[in-house]
Amino acid sequence: EAQVTQNPRYLITVTGKKLTVTCSQNMNHEYMSWYRQDPGLGLRQIYYSMNVEVTDKGDVPEGYKVSRKEKRNFPLILESPSPNQTSLYFCASSPGGGTRNTEAFFGQGTRLTVV
Amino acid sequence: QKEVEQDPGPLSVPEGAIVSLNCTYSNSAFQYFMWYRQYSRKGPELLMYTYSSGNKEDGRFTAQVDKSSKYISLFIRDSQPSDSATYLCAIRLQAGTALIFGKGTTLSVSS
Repeated sequence: EAQVTQNPRYLITVTGKKLTVTCSQNMNHEYMSWYRQDPGLGLRQIYYSMNVEVTDKGDVPEGYKVSRKEKRNFPLILESPSPNQTSLYFCASSPGGGTRNTEAFFGQGTRLTVV
Repeated sequence: QKEVEQDPGPLSVPEGAIVSLNCTYSNSAFQYFMWYRQYSRKGPELLMYTYSSGNKEDGRFTAQVDKSSKYISLFIRDSQPSDSATYLCAIRLQAGTALIFGKGTTLSVSS
């Protein structure tokens, strides 16, 4: 089954404790991205990757890092989480070609709480 | 002015109704237009994708882009209770730029 898998689905952590949210897709997609979704603000892009070793900032990259060492994986790293990073996070992927400019598949989301 | 505006609703309709969902955007240079559906506690799923202007139809769903008015629409015919969800419009300037989402319209279809 084609899917984007995020882990963990739920996470509560403390301020300053480094964490990684993993994202993996099984469709050999070139394009992957991370979003956060907040009430009243909607979905906002954090980082995206056009292919292996190619990443770039989205609209709200501050406080986040990403890496793309393999095509299937695109982890989101919070080096020193703060309470304002409490949010619902989504990973997305897309194939190349005509739909490369869409986010075709989204993961189920990771609800992160930083206390 | 925000780059994309979407009425949050909620919108309640009876089963079988025709639903019209709309977004306006500020920059006429946007080229890529999408509609997503998001069920509660789930990730968004891509419904429709349009490049530049025109209409696109897929089953009961029709997407319209009017670049002269900077207005995008999603029509749902013969709406079903399973269509109850939040609908998000999204726009992109060009390849390699961020996808910008509207805040979503919550739709409820009653049987």
